[in-house]
Amino acid sequence: DQQVKQNSPSLSVQEGRISILNCDYTNSMFDYFLWYKKYPAEGPTFLISISSIKDKNEDGRFTVFLNKSAKHLSLHIVPSQPGDSAVYFCAASRGNGNKLVFGAGTILRVKS
Amino acid sequence: DAGITQSPRHKVTETGTPVTLRCHQTENHRYMYWYRQDPGHGLRLIHYSYGVKDTDKGEVSDGYSVSRSKTEDFLLTLESATSSQTSVYFCAISVNYNNEQFFGPGTRLTVL
Repeated sequence: DQQVKQNSPSLSVQEGRISILNCDYTNSMFDYFLWYKKYPAEGPTFLISISSIKDKNEDGRFTVFLNKSAKHLSLHIVPSQPGDSAVYFCAASRGNGNKLVFGAGTILRVKS
Repeated sequence: DAGITQSPRHKVTETGTPVTLRCHQTENHRYMYWYRQDPGHGLRLIHYSYGVKDTDKGEVSDGYSVSRSKTEDFLLTLESATSSQTSVYFCAISVNYNNEQFFGPGTRLTVL
């Protein structure tokens, strides 16, 4: 039973437009959420995070929104750039255990 | 750069042979993790460590063991490799209290 789900395996967006990546979770005990980006043949790199006490966190072109009642979070990238083309993983954790549960990932392609 | 290296970066082995993967960090961080990445599953936690000689199981620990005799090294051992353990293995470290993990470059393991 996957506790963190990314239901869109892939997403294609035109350069300059907004990319919206979605993530759903089932465990209401999760209190910290993260997004990672991964290029081929490299390790995942941390992008942005949000605590369950917030509903929005912004860092430059990247904004993460959290809807606790819907158990849903999303990552917005504005404007999208070709270098953003990568696999994006959503992850969640609870308490101070530091154990992350990942979604299956979404492949983002930004077309120039 | 969190100073994480993994060795080897690529390995091909045969079913039934033992395999040890090494993760090395240069920053003396307390928490270290081993994940495997498989299509459709994202990253799944195998084992983690919260200090020298302190380790615990993750989501997919069967068939794997770990050891941490020094702060900087975290070893993952497949006692008798099986084809189902063909995967890309990532080591990660935790640098602060809010659960951000930083990943190494990965080891691609093929078990024939």
